Order: sequence, then structure tokens, then C-alpha cells
Amino acid sequence: KNEVEQSPQNLTAQEGEFITINCSYSVGISALHWLQQHPGGGIVSLFMLSSGKKKHGRLIATINIQEKHSSLHITASHPRDSAVYICAVRSTGNQFYFGTGTSLTVIP
Amino acid sequence: DGGITQSPKYLFRKEGQNVTLSCEQNLNHDAMYWYRQDPGQGLRLIYYSQIVNDFQKGDIAEGYSVSREKKESFPLTVTSAQKNPTAFYLCASSIAAGGEQYFGPGTRLTVT
Repeated sequence: KNEVEQSPQNLTAQEGEFITINCSYSVGISALHWLQQHPGGGIVSLFMLSSGKKKHGRLIATINIQEKHSSLHITASHPRDSAVYICAVRSTGNQFYFGTGTSLTVIP
Repeated sequence: DGGITQSPKYLFRKEGQNVTLSCEQNLNHDAMYWYRQDPGQGLRLIYYSQIVNDFQKGDIAEGYSVSREKKESFPLTVTSAQKNPTAFYLCASSIAAGGEQYFGPGTRLTVT
């Protein structure tokens, strides 16, 4: 069993739709990260959070520590949002665990 | 511009040859990491280094070696002992161990 599970694995949306990607984890954590990987392969960190909610432009990340669950929301999705979104957690023992990613395609 | 560079972007080698992947950062970060990414799997940690002249094995270190002689550089050697070396390799760094990681663009290694 993976320490970090993401759903869905693949997601296709029409431009303008509201998108939600979910992440559940099984270890005690000190922080959770949302990463974005574009087709070229490079990875960019979107959010690091340990409680509550953060917002960057059209992206919103939330975390519920008690339920060991986080969500990444994209409002007014755009084709340039097409990428793989990866959830990663830093455990209280300072180890990193990565989800397998959610592949998002936004169609114009 | 501060960042992490990996070179080359694509690398092809014959089976049985050792190959070294470069990773350089000018962010003044103490910690550096090497990950491997295979289709359908999450990133897996190969080696990490918390400080110069020190490094530890990650989850899948067999068949790999590293060095950390300079703060800026953390090269990864894929040896002939690695049974399945074809993969996408990502280097990352953070200010300190466990901190937010910044990733390089990756090197896609193909061994035939």
C-alpha cells in the first residue's frame, strides 16, 4: 500500500470547469506539497501546507490533518493547466512520500 | 538566475557502461536529492545529501553512487550493476533536510 494515494489518476475537463484532485495519506506529516509536472518533465512546487488553506491565483489547496486528506482545486480551468499534479508529504521523520500523480487534460 | 540545472536532458548509453548525471544548484541549499521516476509510479528516492561530504542511501540506492564534494554539485552515477536503469531522473535541493524542495528539469536516460 502506498503511503500517499491520489484520485483520480486521469482527468479530462472542458476549459472553464472547476477541477478537484484529491490526496489521502497514511503517515503522520509535518507538511504536504502539491507539485506540477509539465510534459517536458520539470517539476514546480505549487503549495506547501501544514494546515488550513492556501490560494495562488486560480489554484486553491486545502488540508484536513484529522482526516489525513488534502485537495487541490483549479477554478476556471485553462488548457495551460494540463499537466500531472503530484501530492507529496513530508513525514514527521523527515521522509518524503510521493503519490503517483493525477494527469489533467483541459480541452479548449 | 538561481536554480537547479541538470545535464544532459537526454542521455543514451549501452548496457554495461557506467554513466554520470550532472546536478548543479546555485541556491545555496544544503540538502540535495536524487529521484527516479518510472511510468505509473511515484518518485522514488535514490540518494540524498544533507550537507557537503555527507550522503545517505534512499529507498532504491542499489546500482547507484553519488558524491558531494561541493555544496553546489551532487552528481549521480548509474553503474552497470543497476538492473533497469532506463528512467527519468530528477534532482532536487532544499535549504535544509526536509524543507521545500526545488526540482531540476530532469534527465531522461535510455540504456539499450
